[in-house]
Amino acid sequence: DIQMTQSPSSLSASVGDRVTITCRASQNIYTYLNWYQHKPGKAPKLLIYASSTLESGVPSRFSGSGSWTEFTLTISSLQPEDSATYYCQQSYRLGTFGPGTKVDIK
Amino acid sequence: QVQLVESGGGEVQPGGSLRLSCGTSGFSFSRYGMHWVRQAPGKGLEWVAFVESDGIKKKYADSVKGRFTISRDNSNSTLFLHMTSLTADDTAVYYCAKDGILLYSFDYWGQGTLVTVSA
Repeated sequence: DIQMTQSPSSLSASVGDRVTITCRASQNIYTYLNWYQHKPGKAPKLLIYASSTLESGVPSRFSGSGSWTEFTLTISSLQPEDSATYYCQQSYRLGTFGPGTKVDIK
Repeated sequence: QVQLVESGGGEVQPGGSLRLSCGTSGFSFSRYGMHWVRQAPGKGLEWVAFVESDGIKKKYADSVKGRFTISRDNSNSTLFLHMTSLTADDTAVYYCAKDGILLYSFDYWGQGTLVTVSA
């Protein structure tokens, strides 16, 4: 089974800050990596698929990069509405999620 | 627009069974694979099951294999999850999700239905 880890598990940042979340896979997953935003009581939302492709309608302040086993999600200028938990997910073999990173606004 | 609406959740006793449904609209249901994903209280997201567009190929997480069955009715654009031998560990919000451009990515989700397994 492919295991996913994320760091940090939580962070607090100010509006306008640049935020980076790291995701690591236990084995090579090439670029079969997706990122989701999840707010309490809402449906999760796909932000980025295939490591770096922005889903339609997602603001350009979100970006993704990486390959093989190490990946990053970057929010270039944090906005109040970005307060959420962010999950990475591998789709190389079935669909394992990372444990999530909770992002709070200071 | 794409809509997915889950139903069938509720409270069930340990060892019991439950069938979840996911009604869909706004896309050609029969052309896409579909998934169930769950979130236990205070926990992260967990992929549960997948069914291909024609309903034949199915995959399950180890945690539910042999107890859960995913199926679909393409004539009515509906996805199902039949859950048996339920335990407290199955308590979660269950989401249905549409397969995305990248296989096993999830581009549209329902709002979820809560399943509580309790005596």
